[in-house]
Amino acid sequence: AQSVAQPEDQVNVAEGNPLTVKCTYSVSGNPYLFWYVQYPNRGLQFLLKYITGDNLVKGSYGFEAEFNKSQTSFHLKKPSALVSDSALYFCAVMQAGTALIFGKGTTLSVSS
Amino acid sequence: NAGVTQTPKFQVLKTGQSMTLQCAQDMNHEYMSWYRQDPGMGLRLIHYSVGAGITDQGEVPNGYNVSRSTTEDFPLRLLSAAPSQTSVYFCASSYAHRGAGELFFGEGSRLTVL
Repeated sequence: AQSVAQPEDQVNVAEGNPLTVKCTYSVSGNPYLFWYVQYPNRGLQFLLKYITGDNLVKGSYGFEAEFNKSQTSFHLKKPSALVSDSALYFCAVMQAGTALIFGKGTTLSVSS
Repeated sequence: NAGVTQTPKFQVLKTGQSMTLQCAQDMNHEYMSWYRQDPGMGLRLIHYSVGAGITDQGEVPNGYNVSRSTTEDFPLRLLSAAPSQTSVYFCASSYAHRGAGELFFGEGSRLTVL
């Protein structure tokens, strides 16, 4: 069965510093990988996805993610964090032809 | 565009009562799904549908029913509410399930079962 893990409940970073939010996955075959962001009392918003091709995927708001097949990871990154990036981030995985499964989420807190 | 619309936004039920959470999308999406969000547990898939007349179970389907009579609507029914169903429920849709299109989420429905 497919699964996704986000090992950190919370990530704290100072504004202007680079940030990384970690995600590892387990699927049979080639995965479809996603990152979503949730602001308080709102639904989730799509950030980026990896289906195939270049291992470095660029998405919304300056975020990017790197697909690493050997480590089964899909970490979310941003070179310079903003206070407005503070939110709840979800990694998700889909095995082709099945439904999207989400991780438990990581709270990102960016301090000024 | 309205996108994905969920109603009601808030609901309080007593144990044993029934209710339906409504979800409608105006993007002509094939794929629709229901998730519940609980603290520390992320989002868990309840049911999903890949098209009108087709539904399937997700990770936590017990206690919930769905139907998909039209492309636009995907209601979630609680036949006999239990306190364990207290949660925030999200409906989401996508234009291409098998092509792994991005999900568009509604704003959520917060349900409390006493």
